[in-house]
Amino acid sequence: EEQLVESGGGLVQPGGSLRLSCAASGFTFTNYWMTWVRQAPGKGLEWVGNIKHDGSEQYYVDSVKGRFTISRDNAKNSLYLQLNSLRAEDTAVYYCARALLRYFDDAFHIWGQGTMVTVSS
Amino acid sequence: DIQMTQSPSSLSASVGDRVTITCRASQSASSYLNWYQQKPGNAPRLLIYTSSTLQSGVPSRFSGSGSGTDFTLTISSLQPEDFATYYCQQSYSTPRTFGQGTKLEIK
Repeated sequence: EEQLVESGGGLVQPGGSLRLSCAASGFTFTNYWMTWVRQAPGKGLEWVGNIKHDGSEQYYVDSVKGRFTISRDNAKNSLYLQLNSLRAEDTAVYYCARALLRYFDDAFHIWGQGTMVTVSS
Repeated sequence: DIQMTQSPSSLSASVGDRVTITCRASQSASSYLNWYQQKPGNAPRLLIYTSSTLQSGVPSRFSGSGSGTDFTLTISSLQPEDFATYYCQQSYSTPRTFGQGTKLEIK
């Protein structure tokens, strides 16, 4: 079964840092673009950023540029999101998602269950 | 950035109704438009990609159409399990962007 499992969420103070992980199984991880999407409580979905299948390219939404970093370890079938300089407005459920097709940055087919990040003092 | 606007934001309908949700892009997204369904407490689920291609396992009562800036998601005969929030999302340019969502409720 193709599966993504996020971990690493929690409560952090404003200005703090957190590292989220996403463990992939059931498919060839190295073949797929991976994406982080977040959802603030009671709000809609927001694309955070993505990373190419080989890790050579990353893209981010403007609101997180310079603060968040996406990386991957294809040998460990894992995706990461480093969150720095956190703000209250970063409070959200963070989902990792896999692209539908190999080697293409297209629709988001496989989703994790999400991990909650709360930024509060 | 391409802004995605869905209408309506909420919709009340009955089982068996035909429902259409519209998504408009602020500039052309070609046919790179995807639709997701999300139920409370769950991750989104991909329904339709590249405007009109039904994802495997999705019931045929769901259909999508459109290109350029105007897209629609149609549910031909609502079933109880279809009451959820629906999002469109463009995969034509970066940053990828979602519509604000359409909450489909039982009348």
